[in-house]
Amino acid sequence: DAGVIQSPRHEVTEMGQEVTLRCKPISGHNSLFWYRQTMMRGLELLIYFNNNVPIDDSGMPEDRFSAKMPNASFSTLKIQPSEPRDSAVYFCASSIYGNTIYFGEGSWLTVV
Amino acid sequence: GENVEQHPSTLSVQEGDSAVIKCTYSDSASNYFPWYKQELGKRPQLIIDIRSNVGEKKDQRIAVTLNKTAKHFSLHITETQPEDSAVYFCAASSNDYKLSFGAGTTVTVRA
Repeated sequence: DAGVIQSPRHEVTEMGQEVTLRCKPISGHNSLFWYRQTMMRGLELLIYFNNNVPIDDSGMPEDRFSAKMPNASFSTLKIQPSEPRDSAVYFCASSIYGNTIYFGEGSWLTVV
Repeated sequence: GENVEQHPSTLSVQEGDSAVIKCTYSDSASNYFPWYKQELGKRPQLIIDIRSNVGEKKDQRIAVTLNKTAKHFSLHITETQPEDSAVYFCAASSNDYKLSFGAGTTVTVRA
């Protein structure tokens, strides 16, 4: 299996621009998570889906962030408009509900 | 929500010595405790996990212990090697399987 696949791996964008991060979970996994990692705040759970349905989005920092999972093999995390403080590594992760969570390689976002 | 505290934040050990990282959690309903290793620029990867019906689990040089009464769990690495140098994260979750992570421990193994 190819594991959790994220794109883009690296993105540099200007403040105010829209950013879309993409994730393909491991085939057969029914839970999907979006995490953000920064030096200051560590690994933070932003949102997670179970069977394509958002279960908990309490970690989404504000209305500029949105996430969708239109089907079992694809999810997006969108930031609009982006701000410099959104610079971080964004990890997508997936699992079979209740079992080991596997992380993707991450999307390294820099907002200038 | 769950709050996981991890200590120490940095740990330097001589190659061959043992390393111990400790975590405490706040939610008594938590029942799943994984440990992840993250090398520089890489993703977190699971190295071992334990569930609340088990007090200890071992996998080669790595072991994890859990004390549910005290709400703390620990990672033990024996006979450390240079490739053990990384950031280690503990985490906890309850039946919703929403992992809450500790702040991480940077382990450096000196040759």
